[in-house]
Amino acid sequence: GNSVTQMEGPVTLSEEAFLTINCTYTATGYPSLFWYVQYPGEGLQLLLKATKADDKGSNKGFEATYRKETTSFHLEKGSVQVSDSAVYFCALSEETSGSRLTFGEGTQLTVNP
Amino acid sequence: DTAVSQTPKYLVTQMGNDKSIKCEQNLGHDTMYWYKQDSKKFLKIMFSYNNKELIINETVPNRFSPKSPDKAHLNLHINSLELGDSAVYFCASSQARGRRAEAFFGQGTRLTVV
Repeated sequence: GNSVTQMEGPVTLSEEAFLTINCTYTATGYPSLFWYVQYPGEGLQLLLKATKADDKGSNKGFEATYRKETTSFHLEKGSVQVSDSAVYFCALSEETSGSRLTFGEGTQLTVNP
Repeated sequence: DTAVSQTPKYLVTQMGNDKSIKCEQNLGHDTMYWYKQDSKKFLKIMFSYNNKELIINETVPNRFSPKSPDKAHLNLHINSLELGDSAVYFCASSQARGRRAEAFFGQGTRLTVV
């Protein structure tokens, strides 16, 4: 079956620090990959996505590259802000799973001023 | 305009009661979902409908029954609520099926069973 593994949290950083949240996946087919963000008390918002190998998704200063050879989709940001504090979820979707999203465990990020 | 809206946002109820959560999307999407988020923030799919047809039904107790009166609405009815049902329930919708199915989520319904 499909699965997504994220680095364990929580992650605490100072403002302007560099962020990496690791994500690796297992899939039976050829998945699309996503990063979703959940701010406190809110629903999930799509942060970025990539649908084929070597694609780079980017949004709001965050980036992730679809690496088929290492089955990874690590999230990076060069300089985090206090407003980036949230829970980040890596997820995949593929044809054989009937369009469902399979999520990683989520990584809580706290950015201190 | 809210794209995917759920009501209520908070629901506190006693064990044994029956309750419903409603979801509506104005994105014109064909597929809708219910996801459950547990206390550790883990998200898991419960159900998925495509054009009012049930296409995913995970291992969920049959006390949970989804209903889709039309493709813009997907409601969740829960009978005989138990303490373990306490969680945040998210409705979502997507346009495409399969690997490119990027989902849009509602704000969630926090259900507390006491």
